[in-house]
Amino acid sequence: EDKVVQSPLSLVVHEGDTVTLNCSYEVTNFRSLLWYKQEKKAPTFLFMLTSSGIEKKSGRLSSILDKKELFSILNITATQTGDSAIYLCAVPPSGSARQLTFGSGTQLTVLP
Amino acid sequence: AAGVIQSPRHLIKEKRETATLKCYPIPRHDTVYWYQQGPGQDPQFLISFYEKMQSDKGSIPDRFSAQQFSDYHSELNMSSLELGDSALYFCASSFRGQSGNTEAFFGQGTRLTVV
Repeated sequence: EDKVVQSPLSLVVHEGDTVTLNCSYEVTNFRSLLWYKQEKKAPTFLFMLTSSGIEKKSGRLSSILDKKELFSILNITATQTGDSAIYLCAVPPSGSARQLTFGSGTQLTVLP
Repeated sequence: AAGVIQSPRHLIKEKRETATLKCYPIPRHDTVYWYQQGPGQDPQFLISFYEKMQSDKGSIPDRFSAQQFSDYHSELNMSSLELGDSALYFCASSFRGQSGNTEAFFGQGTRLTVV
């Protein structure tokens, strides 16, 4: 059974801080890892990572994958209150699985 | 670009009523997933379809059923609604094809409130 574990579960920072969110995984047949941001609605896609060591970047957000150590990190620099959300990491179906497997998410709160 | 469309956005039903939620995947996507997310909870997988056939089943109650139609849209039917069914229901679509799944994109979700 595929498994995704995120840490920390909750994080409270002040605007301008930099945060690092962690996601570790165990999957039968790894293809990719996905990051999503969820506010008060359905998750919004952020990144898909397939190769180790290649940083994906979008504005103040960046993410990188380590396929040897089986984890990914999501960095957010110069955080803003609008970054407050749940950040979910997921792996698409692999092996006999037919569903996305999500981590429990990291609840990020950015205070003004 | 077209996204995943869900309808309705909000739905209020009474206990024991029936609800039908609809999901229109991104064009050319062949896989649809349904998830249920209660307040403060992780998304819980309900059911998925690939090429109009059910491909996997998660924690979907027997009172719920779903199907994917010839145009690839999917409907989640929920009967004998209970207060605990109040949640955000969202669907995601992806393209599987031969090389495996691409990233899944989510609809805006349907917020169901059972009173």
